[in-house]
Amino acid sequence: GENVEQHPSTLSVQEGDSAVIKCTYSDSASNYFPWYKQELGKGPQLIIDIRSNVGEKKDQRIAVTLNKTAKHFSLHITETQPEDSAVYFCAASPGGGADGLTFGKGTHLIIQP
Amino acid sequence: DVKVTQSSRYLVKRTGEKVFLECVQDMDHENMFWYRQDPGLGLRLIYFSYDVKMKEKGDIPEGYSVSREKKERFSLILESASTNQTSMYLCASSFPGLAASTDTQYFGPGTRLTVL
Repeated sequence: GENVEQHPSTLSVQEGDSAVIKCTYSDSASNYFPWYKQELGKGPQLIIDIRSNVGEKKDQRIAVTLNKTAKHFSLHITETQPEDSAVYFCAASPGGGADGLTFGKGTHLIIQP
Repeated sequence: DVKVTQSSRYLVKRTGEKVFLECVQDMDHENMFWYRQDPGLGLRLIYFSYDVKMKEKGDIPEGYSVSREKKERFSLILESASTNQTSMYLCASSFPGLAASTDTQYFGPGTRLTVL
C-alpha cells in the first residue's frame, strides 16, 4: 500500500517568514495530494490540493508543488501569520481520494511573534 | 456549508464494552470514512463506504466493524473495546466525481474515546 513520509515534525518560523513542509510518497499510482490544516480541538480542514497532471498550484499565500518523478510534494506558506499556527497533514491517494487517503504523520507549525 | 457531525466529542468506556460511534453528514455525500488519529502516527484509515450497505476495509480494520443503513449515517462499532483503541476517531465524507473539488473529504470534529 501507499506510504507517506512528512518532514519536519515541528517547524518554528518568525512571523512574516516562509514555511515549507515536505512529503514523499511510495505508490507511483497515487494521483491526488491534499493538504489539511488541523487546529486544536477541530477536525482537519482542506487548505489546498493538487492532482498528478499539475506541477504547481497556488492559492493566495499557500502553494503546493509536485514532483512525480521524485515522488515528493511540498507545501509553501509565505508571509506567515499567527493564525497559521496549527498541525498540517499531507496525504496521497491512488484513487483520487474516493477510496480513502494515506496521511503523513503531521507537522506542528509554530509562528513566533 | 458541508456539515459532518459526530455523536460525542468525548467518550469513556470500559474494556470489553460494545461501543458505537455515530457520524452524520448533511450534503448527500456517497462516500464516508472512519479514521483514527494518534500522536506521532497521523490519521489512519479504518473503514470506508461507497454507498448504503457497502463497506470496504481500510489500513487498520482489525477490532472494528461498520454499518451504513442510511446514506447520511455511518457508524463505527467496537465489538469489545480494548485499551489500545483509546484514540481520537474522525469521520469524513466526500462526493465522488470527475472534478477535483468533488473528491474533497470533509471531516467532523472528532470523538475522543478513552477505554479504561
